[in-house]
Amino acid sequence: DARVTQTPRDKVTEMGQEVTMRCQPILGHNTVFWYRQTMMQGLELLAYFRNRAPLDDSGMPKDRFSAEMPDATLATLKIQPSEPRDSAVYFCASGLVHAGTGTEAFFGQGTRLTVV
Amino acid sequence: TQLLEQSPQFLSIQEGENLTVYCNSSSVFSSLQWYRQEPGEGPVLLVTVVTGGEVKKLKRLTFQFGDARKDSSLHITAAQTGDTGLYLCAGGTSGSRLTFGEGTQLTVNP
Repeated sequence: DARVTQTPRDKVTEMGQEVTMRCQPILGHNTVFWYRQTMMQGLELLAYFRNRAPLDDSGMPKDRFSAEMPDATLATLKIQPSEPRDSAVYFCASGLVHAGTGTEAFFGQGTRLTVV
Repeated sequence: TQLLEQSPQFLSIQEGENLTVYCNSSSVFSSLQWYRQEPGEGPVLLVTVVTGGEVKKLKRLTFQFGDARKDSSLHITAAQTGDTGLYLCAGGTSGSRLTFGEGTQLTVNP
């Protein structure tokens, strides 16, 4: 049963600390998304990759957020330094690009981040 | 920026009733997807529509893509308590970008 795996499921950290979230996409998928979900903003696209290359990270605060894909089985989202306003659920999703119509996304269970 | 607006934001109905959720945009999309999300979980894909005017049915759920590929609707017939959840539409482009609406929180009461 192929699924996207995210770790950790929950993270509580103090303001100013570094936070790293990890994602294992479904094997064979060539597109990886990072989304942030809050009650106020809904699902916001932070960044996405195709074939491990970043296509768009304009949704991320560049000064503190970074997203990478060191290899095809691992995507990371890092926040340094973290702030209370970063508290949210962060979702990773993966999918296959379909010519002309885009990508259907398969989501992980998310990482619930609380910055105190 | 491509924006998707969903309406209504909240919907509370009795079991057995019918309902329609709308997803509108000023942008044209290559595809329109509908997802359902339950508490503590990630969104799960329900359907993808790609052709203007396309209608797809999934048991009691009917999805329609607007002729101009800018809007979509989800109609549920005879809602059940198990239909409760957050329904999200998402617009896809050929460049992989997937933009979500803010969602419609549906509560079906017994």
